[in-house]
Amino acid sequence: LAKTTQPISMDSYEGQEVNITCSHNNIATNDYITWYQQFPSQGPRFIIQGYKTKVTNEVASLFIPADRKSSTLSLPRVSLSDTAVYYCLVDDKIIFGKGTRLHILP
Amino acid sequence: NAGVTQTPKFQVLKTGQSMTLQCAQDMNHNSMYWYRQDPGMGLRLIYYSASEGTTDKGEVPNGYNVSRLNKREFSLRLESAAPSQTSVYFCASSEAAGGYQPQHFGDGTRLSIL
Repeated sequence: LAKTTQPISMDSYEGQEVNITCSHNNIATNDYITWYQQFPSQGPRFIIQGYKTKVTNEVASLFIPADRKSSTLSLPRVSLSDTAVYYCLVDDKIIFGKGTRLHILP
Repeated sequence: NAGVTQTPKFQVLKTGQSMTLQCAQDMNHNSMYWYRQDPGMGLRLIYYSASEGTTDKGEVPNGYNVSRLNKREFSLRLESAAPSQTSVYFCASSEAAGGYQPQHFGDGTRLSIL
């Protein structure tokens, strides 16, 4: 059962790029890395998933090094509306930790 | 497209009362899940249903029962509510079971037990 470690909270400013790193030292060969975003009073929303190297979509990029023991979610040019909690999941047991509380400042 | 619909959105119960939380999805997904989220905490899996006709316990199943009524609907029942069950309950669905299958969540049911 892979365990993830993320920063509890982060602050950034509008227009900056934000990188949130997740450590998952015990990731299994078959595990994918999935990130969710949760706004207050809403359910989590899937934002990106990857297995290795780099994945990019219209919302974010996900960087995964060759050893897959960590991953970095990159949010380009954040806005106030990106203030949310971000969860990193890496095992098939669907364990949500406490996530990273990202606060974007004007 | 409604996605995952949860009812009710809010509910207040007295200790010892029973209640069923309803969840329906219109995405033809095979798997469905129930989570609870306490203030400042992540989501904890209560029960899940990998496919119609099957249910399995998650991290925190005590005090709850579930029913996979059909492919669309998955209900969560509190037989005798306790204050410790005050929480926000989220239902989710995915095409198949497993963390690699992205889940789609409802907006939650906010449950207070006095």
